[in-house]
Amino acid sequence: GAVVSQHPSRVICKSGTSVKIECRSLDFQATTMFWYRQFPKQSLMLMATSNEGSKATYEQGVEKDKFLINHASLTLSTLTVTSAHPEDSSFYICSAQTGGVSNQPQHFGDGTRLSIL
Amino acid sequence: SQKIEQNSEALNIQEGKTATLTCNYTNYSPAYLQWYRQDPGRGPVFLLLIRENEKEKRKERLKVTFDTTLKQSLFHITASQPADSATYLCALDQAGSYQLTFGKGTKLSVIP
Repeated sequence: GAVVSQHPSRVICKSGTSVKIECRSLDFQATTMFWYRQFPKQSLMLMATSNEGSKATYEQGVEKDKFLINHASLTLSTLTVTSAHPEDSSFYICSAQTGGVSNQPQHFGDGTRLSIL
Repeated sequence: SQKIEQNSEALNIQEGKTATLTCNYTNYSPAYLQWYRQDPGRGPVFLLLIRENEKEKRKERLKVTFDTTLKQSLFHITASQPADSATYLCALDQAGSYQLTFGKGTKLSVIP
């Protein structure tokens, strides 16, 4: 149980393109979903927290107009990287949590490797 | 400032031995601490959660301890196997928050 599917797994595109990444909880309802970014040999950096039906909460330094997050249902959240540039190249990972309370583990997707040329 | 430190970036261990990984934190008051496993190019997988009022938690060959006085958690894998080779991440919350902050991880290599 607690499977999270993230698509696509890899994207290579030209600078200026907008890229949408989907995160789905397949067998549970995710009250809260999280979006992270990870650089090689670095920790997961939380970008934003999204709750179904409300606006995402972004971490300090993350541009909300650059990284658009939509959490339209209890099983789907999307991250759109708008007008992507080479510095946006990274490994993006989503996670989902049930219950919206603390002390619950997060269930992660397998990440999206984004490469902007 | 707040810090989570996983002391070893990499740890090599002989198959069959016990691997011990360390997670130290400063300026946090976590209600619980979690350990995850991450394989290359994959998302983390949840392993164990331990609460602030628990000293020790076990799951099969895994054992986690949590010392809130020392501000430290130890993660043990007994009878280690090459399949245990991966990066192990510790993560903790700020008390009452459902967001996690992750350490950089320790890359464990179990040598046959």
